[in-house]
Amino acid sequence: KNQVEQSPQSLIILEGKNCTLQCNYTVSPFSNLRWYKQDTGRGPVSLTIMTFSENTKSNGRYTATLDADTKQSSLHITASQLSDSASYICVVSAWLSGGSYIPTFGRGTSLIVHP
Amino acid sequence: DAGITQSPRHKVTETGTPVTLRCHQTENHRYMYWYRQDPGHGLRLIHYSYGVKDTDKGEVSDGYSVSRSKTEDFLLTLESATSSQTSVYFCAISVGQGQETQYFGPGTRLLVL
Repeated sequence: KNQVEQSPQSLIILEGKNCTLQCNYTVSPFSNLRWYKQDTGRGPVSLTIMTFSENTKSNGRYTATLDADTKQSSLHITASQLSDSASYICVVSAWLSGGSYIPTFGRGTSLIVHP
Repeated sequence: DAGITQSPRHKVTETGTPVTLRCHQTENHRYMYWYRQDPGHGLRLIHYSYGVKDTDKGEVSDGYSVSRSKTEDFLLTLESATSSQTSVYFCAISVGQGQETQYFGPGTRLLVL
């Protein structure tokens, strides 16, 4: 069964500090890995997407890494801001026959940034 | 938001009543999805559609049905709502050559009493 595990479940940091969120997966056959940010009461918004051949992808202060050999990914947030307070979701997709894919969602890491 | 709207945004209903949620998109995307999100769980796929009248089940499809008679609308129906179906429901579309990027709607909060 395809699974995505995220850690930590929750994290509290001070504004301006850096943090790293982890994602481990067992999804096959691997298609892509995405990180989403979900603000309270809203739908998830895509931050980064990486395929098998990519091992890093940045989006402003967000940098995602992917190690396809160990099936691990991380999301690093630099110089955190209050607006970074949200849930961060790791999503790993497996290819389906016919060229489509099915995503498996992690449960998310809840990040709180304190002033 | 990729032109995705959901209606209603909030609904309270009673056990045993039918409920239909609507997802509307304005950009003629082929793939559309319905998810539910509950505390302690990740987003879970209920049903998805890969074209008009073409739908398939996700991992938590029991108790739900869908219909897609037009490209722009994807309906999710709870034939007889149960308290276990109290959740936040998200619609999504996927774009890209391999449908690899998903955009989500704002969500519908459903409470079944």
